[in-house]
Amino acid sequence: DAKTTQPTSMDCAEGRAANLPCNHSTISGNEYVYWYRQIHSQGPQYIIHGLKNNETNEMASLIITEDRKSSTLILPHATLRDTAVYYCIVRDNYQGAQKLVFGQGTRLTINP
Amino acid sequence: DVKVTQSSRYLVKRTGEKVFLECVQDMDHENMFWYRQDPGLGLRLIYFSYDVKMKEKGDIPEGYSVSREKKERFSLILESASTNQTSMYLCASSLWTGSAFFGQGTRLTVV
Repeated sequence: DAKTTQPTSMDCAEGRAANLPCNHSTISGNEYVYWYRQIHSQGPQYIIHGLKNNETNEMASLIITEDRKSSTLILPHATLRDTAVYYCIVRDNYQGAQKLVFGQGTRLTINP
Repeated sequence: DVKVTQSSRYLVKRTGEKVFLECVQDMDHENMFWYRQDPGLGLRLIYFSYDVKMKEKGDIPEGYSVSREKKERFSLILESASTNQTSMYLCASSLWTGSAFFGQGTRLTVV
């Protein structure tokens, strides 16, 4: 089962910051938080990941709370091309293997 | 750039046929995964492999098997295809840690 919960859908105006929340209250100390997005009819694309510090790259910023039980993905200036389903994942260890389990994700719609 | 290639983009098979979905990655990744994606159900893990000849069941392995004879190739096998296996199938690969890279998907229709 997925270890994260996300809102089913969100809307954001073009040019504004899109803030996508994720709850992962059972995250363990060595688990990373990963974010992916899936644009219609394509395979999911990696966005960013983090352990406990906030992270930023050319695509987005990731804010992880101090207790690590939740995080927020920030798209600072959303464009229409950011319309996609966004998945928050915590990476699960199993005998050294890194199982990747996806939840339902958040369907983000950027409105002009 | 990492490339994960799935052998077919679209596939139509008959009920009862044996179906092979092939996935090849070119970055020497240890882990490979097979998912299926259906409307309203998100991505569900079928099987994954963390090394050659090693495989582990995911959340929905029933009706499927896998083969990993070489590190770069991970095959998903439908022994006897059924209509409820009509779906989008996605393959992914990753290192032990780090991000996963996905193929473009195979849309399988079983008639």
